[in-house]
Amino acid sequence: GDSVTQTEGQVALSEEDFLTIHCNYSASGYPALFWYVQYPGEGPQFLFRASRDKEKGSSRGFEATYDKGTTSFHLRKASVQESDSAVYYCASGTGGYKVVFGSGTRLLVSP
Amino acid sequence: AQTIHQWPVAEIKAVGSPLSLGCTIKGKSSPNLYWYWQATGGTLQQLFYSITVGQVESVVQLNLSASRPKDDQFILSTEKLLLSHSGFYLCAWSLPGVQDTQYFGPGTRLLVL
Repeated sequence: GDSVTQTEGQVALSEEDFLTIHCNYSASGYPALFWYVQYPGEGPQFLFRASRDKEKGSSRGFEATYDKGTTSFHLRKASVQESDSAVYYCASGTGGYKVVFGSGTRLLVSP
Repeated sequence: AQTIHQWPVAEIKAVGSPLSLGCTIKGKSSPNLYWYWQATGGTLQQLFYSITVGQVESVVQLNLSASRPKDDQFILSTEKLLLSHSGFYLCAWSLPGVQDTQYFGPGTRLLVL
């Protein structure tokens, strides 16, 4: 079945550092890819999506580019803020009604 | 603007007792609706989805059931709770005909003792 792998369980940075969270997917079809952010005690918030190869999604200074060749959708931000501290989830949807989420990456940003 | 409401906000229940969680979407006609479960510190596991009133599809078996009695309402229930049912239950919606981008509610936290 489809799967999403996030290799970093936790990332600790200082403000203004560059962020990369790695996401790789495995799917039989051509999935749409998503990033969500979840703050403590809340439901996940949709960040952005991409649906085709080389498409870039972005929101709130975060961005990721769909790479079919490497089956990746890595999340990046040039300069993180303390308010970015949260759990980030990469997800894959095949266009049906099922969405598979990665294990999540906890981002801790210190001032 | 659309709003999504989940109730209750939190529950503490005994093993073997029944459970009913609810979700209501306002401001969208005929949305696709979803239930997810999240263990503490864990990822999101899709449980059910519904694309129309009266029709619910199961994604994973966790001794839970779901129903959609109205266009804007989605119910998650079980007659007998297990310890493993503890966690965070999230309802989500997506536009009809646009299945993928899902928007989540605030969640219900369940503790089974």
